[in-house]
Amino acid sequence: AQSVTQPDIHITVSEGASLELRCNYSYGATPYLFWYVQSPGQGLQLLLKYFSGDTLVQGIKGFEAEFKRSQSSFNLRKPSVHWSDAAEYFCAVGAPMDSSYKLIFGSGTRLLVRP
Amino acid sequence: DAGITQSPRHKVTETGTPVTLRCHQTENHRYMYWYRQDPGHGLRLIHYSYGVKDTDKGEVSDGYSVSRSKTEDFLLTLESATSSQTSVYFCAISEGNLQGAEQYFGPGTRLTVT
Repeated sequence: AQSVTQPDIHITVSEGASLELRCNYSYGATPYLFWYVQSPGQGLQLLLKYFSGDTLVQGIKGFEAEFKRSQSSFNLRKPSVHWSDAAEYFCAVGAPMDSSYKLIFGSGTRLLVRP
Repeated sequence: DAGITQSPRHKVTETGTPVTLRCHQTENHRYMYWYRQDPGHGLRLIHYSYGVKDTDKGEVSDGYSVSRSKTEDFLLTLESATSSQTSVYFCAISEGNLQGAEQYFGPGTRLTVT
């Protein structure tokens, strides 16, 4: 069955430090992978996506993610975190349905940023 | 930002009452989705629509129904609300039906069933 695992429920980093959020997926075919960010009380905003080609994907707000097929991972990184990055981050995989597709989400990682 | 609005944004209702949530888009996208978000579960798909009057079930559809009479509106109805349906509900839209097509999310509706 398709699934997404985000092993870290919470992560705390200091402002200016680097960040890596982990995501592991289980999917039989070539995965279509996404990272979304959710600020408190807001909807989800797409940070980046991967569906083919270069395994290092650049996104908005200075984020990047690397697809590693051998590890079934799609980790999100940022070299220097800003206080405004504090939010919840969701990894997702696109899975086909009869007439469309759905996103299967991980349970999320909440990022706290220390001043 | 994609033009997606949800109404109401907050609602408190009693067990056993019917509730309808509305999603409205101005993007003319064909595909629309309803997800629910619960702590520790991420978002889970309730129902989706692939065109006017064309809808299908997602993974957590029990107790919910949907309707789409116009491209721009997708309604989610809880026919008899239960406490287990207390959640945050998100609508999403997409241009395409391929797995790589982006989904854009609305701001959410927080529903509390007492």
